[in-house]
Amino acid sequence: AQSVTQLDSHVSVSEGTPVLLRCNYSSSYSPSLFWYVQHPNKGLQLLLKYTSAATLVKGINGFEAEFKKSETSFHLTKPSAHMSDAAEYFCVVSAGTTSGTYKYIFGTGTRLKVLA
Amino acid sequence: DGGITQSPKYLFRKEGQNVTLSCEQNLNHDAMYWYRQDPGQGLRLIYYSQIVNDFQKGDIAEGYSVSREKKESFPLTVTSAQKNPTAFYLCASSKELWQGTYEQYFGPGTRLTVT
Repeated sequence: AQSVTQLDSHVSVSEGTPVLLRCNYSSSYSPSLFWYVQHPNKGLQLLLKYTSAATLVKGINGFEAEFKKSETSFHLTKPSAHMSDAAEYFCVVSAGTTSGTYKYIFGTGTRLKVLA
Repeated sequence: DGGITQSPKYLFRKEGQNVTLSCEQNLNHDAMYWYRQDPGQGLRLIYYSQIVNDFQKGDIAEGYSVSREKKESFPLTVTSAQKNPTAFYLCASSKELWQGTYEQYFGPGTRLTVT
């Protein structure tokens, strides 16, 4: 069965310091993985995606994530946090099943707070 | 300017009334989805549609209904049978249904409050 776990519900960082948002997944088949960002009362915006190409994926706004199959992880990082990064972040896994279908499974989200 | 629009942004209704949330996309996507978002629970799938005149129940379809008469439109009706309708509702689309490599595009959401 597929699942995704975001290990921290809340993360606080100071402006200018690195950001690390952790995501672990479980999938019987090769997954596609996504990170989305959601600002308050807004829809979700895609930050980056992994679809079995390069394991280090670069996204928008300076974010990147590394797919580590041995650790079943897809952590999101950014070298230097900006105030505008304060938002909720969702890790999503999409993987096939024995019946030939796919499904997107959303993590429960990590709320990032950036301190001035 | 391609994207997904949802209206209204905020909606207030009395208990016992049905209400319809609008979702329109001009991305020429085949697949469309409705999600419900509650605090601390991530997104839960209500209904999805692969093509016009076809739709399937998601994980929490009870108390909801949809239609897909046009490729661009996928309205969601929250009926009086839905026990806890107050939530943030998100519509999404993707190029194909559940094709793992295609990301979903999301609308701005509708916040429904039922009292």
